Amino acid sequence: NAGVMQNPRHLVRRRGQEARLRCSPMKGHSHVYWYRQLPEEGLKFMVYLQKENIIDESGMPKERFSAEFPKEGPSILRIQQVVRGDSAAYFCASSHESGTGSYEQYFGPGTRLTVT
Amino acid sequence: KQEVTQIPAALSVPEGENLVLNCSFTDSAIYNLQWFRQDPGKGLTSLLLIQSSQREQTSGRLNASLDKSSGRSTLYIAASQPGDSATYLCAVKDSARQLTFGSGTQLTVLP
Repeated sequence: NAGVMQNPRHLVRRRGQEARLRCSPMKGHSHVYWYRQLPEEGLKFMVYLQKENIIDESGMPKERFSAEFPKEGPSILRIQQVVRGDSAAYFCASSHESGTGSYEQYFGPGTRLTVT
Repeated sequence: KQEVTQIPAALSVPEGENLVLNCSFTDSAIYNLQWFRQDPGKGLTSLLLIQSSQREQTSGRLNASLDKSSGRSTLYIAASQPGDSATYLCAVKDSARQLTFGSGTQLTVLP
């Protein structure tokens, strides 16, 4: 049973380019979360998605960032026109969910984005 | 808004010592609390998950406790080893379903 998969593991982009980060949740999980870890900072929530729905995007920067989780395929975090300040580690987590909210989130290995 | 604080920010101990890491959170209406380990430049390794109805969880040399009413958790590491050197993160899950992380405690165990 494969865990949460993220690719690429490392991504280098020049300023102004687009970055696409992919996350495949654990088998059977329909809920995905994206977190960002800026250099020397803690992990911060970005967005919470179910299949075909954005549930909570309160942590997403208002511009240039978008996320989707289509019916088929991985979740995608897309950053348009990247700037040096976007350089960070981006982690994806997946879980079951229920009304109790007690399910554990399982994390992928992360994508390290470097903007040159 | 949930806030999570971890004390101390850094800790250095000689090998073999027992140690305690602290985590506090502002909103006690949580579903669960999780302790992670992160090595430099690496991902997160989940250590222990404590549900809101539980008081503690144990795994090997690790023991985590939860006092939800006071908004506190501790991670106890027994007989520390150099391989335990890492950053330890505490995270709580509340009604927003997202995890709110503390800034971590950077642990160094000296041989």
